Amino acid sequence: GEQVEQLPSILRVQERSSASINCTYENSASNYFPWYKQEPGENPKLIIDIRSNMERKQIQGLIVLLDKKAKRFSLHITDTQPADSAMYFCAASAAGGADRLTFGKGTQLIIQP
Amino acid sequence: AQTIHQWPVAEIKAVGSPLSLGCTIKGKSSPNLYWYWQATGGTLQQLFYSITVGQVESVVQLNLSASRPKDDQFILSTEKLLLSHSGFYLCAWSRPGGADAEQFFGPGTRLTVL
Repeated sequence: GEQVEQLPSILRVQERSSASINCTYENSASNYFPWYKQEPGENPKLIIDIRSNMERKQIQGLIVLLDKKAKRFSLHITDTQPADSAMYFCAASAAGGADRLTFGKGTQLIIQP
Repeated sequence: AQTIHQWPVAEIKAVGSPLSLGCTIKGKSSPNLYWYWQATGGTLQQLFYSITVGQVESVVQLNLSASRPKDDQFILSTEKLLLSHSGFYLCAWSRPGGADAEQFFGPGTRLTVL
């Protein structure tokens, strides 16, 4: 199986500053690490992901870093805006016939004006 | 483009009553399908997955069952609801072949058990 720890559970940052969320995993066979954003009452939406053959990936203001030795990956949101306020979930998956995604407990990101 | 539909949008049910939730995916042949449960304010827990018609694997036992009667349909059910079944049920899909494929969630069904 897999266990994913996610911290912090609540993150408050000033608008236009950066926000960072950290996750660790246990299974060294895990090779896929997606990040989901969930707004209140909505379904989770995939915002960025990284696979084990990469250490860094950026999509506009979203950066994901992966440290396989430390079994750690992180999401960094640069130049935060009020629309970034939401729950964020990290997840990890080991390869197989279907993806057995294990999610972290989530981070409530609050962007303060 | 792929579309994923879940029904009903919301349900209020009595403890001990039966339940059936549905999910259909259009525009994708032989997808992998998944059921997730999310308690209010909680994380996402994968319940079942299916890589083909008629085959369903259980990830977590929550007194629920799942079936895949058609390539594009996934059903979650129980004969007897518990209070602990309340929450948000999400269906998801990924491309066949599975390994490290993105999973995309449906709109979800909000279940309240009283």
